[in-house]
Amino acid sequence: GENVEQHPSTLSVQEGDSAVIKCTYSDSASNYFPWYKQELGKGPQLIIDIRSNVGEKKDQRIAVTLNKTAKHFSLHITETQPEDSAVYFCAASSSGGSARQLTFGSGTQLTVLP
Amino acid sequence: DAGVIQSPRHEVTEMGQEVTLRCKPISGHDYLFWYRQTMMRGLELLIYFNNNVPIDDSGMPEDRFSAKMPNASFSTLKIQPSEPRDSAVYFCASSLPGGYQHFGDGTRLSIL
Repeated sequence: GENVEQHPSTLSVQEGDSAVIKCTYSDSASNYFPWYKQELGKGPQLIIDIRSNVGEKKDQRIAVTLNKTAKHFSLHITETQPEDSAVYFCAASSSGGSARQLTFGSGTQLTVLP
Repeated sequence: DAGVIQSPRHEVTEMGQEVTLRCKPISGHDYLFWYRQTMMRGLELLIYFNNNVPIDDSGMPEDRFSAKMPNASFSTLKIQPSEPRDSAVYFCASSLPGGYQHFGDGTRLSIL
């Protein structure tokens, strides 16, 4: 089955700086890679996703890059703000059908220092 | 859009008792997923349904766990009998075909 590794487990940055979180996956058939943000006491919320036919996707201050050859993908947050502080999870799905069975990374606790 | 609704938000019960967690998916979503989140094992998929039918329950840890979806707007996850190691946050998520998963805010379960 799929295995997703995520690094780092904790990350502290100064407000305004950039944050980068990296994930690797094992199943070369994986074709969908979402990123979720989880705030304390809440469920994970999708912030951005990328499909395997795209190398990069950007949404305002958030971007995701995918390297299929190396089987890794990264989340980039620019101009970080205190409200970006949360736990971030990457995930991968190799489901061929319409149900995207996700395997999650272990999470990164991001702290943005004011 | 009311989002995925889970109840109760918190449950504290004694070992050996039956526990029932409830989920109302987003209207129109064909897929429903149950996850468990712990510090040691992270987010794990337990089971998922398509059009109320269980498709893959390979993540269900033991026979003590069971899940049902009697109709398109309601699902339950039951643990009987409960054990302290079942303590975790349980999430329900729903999605459209090929769509991303929308998560509820979870049920924090503590088994004493």
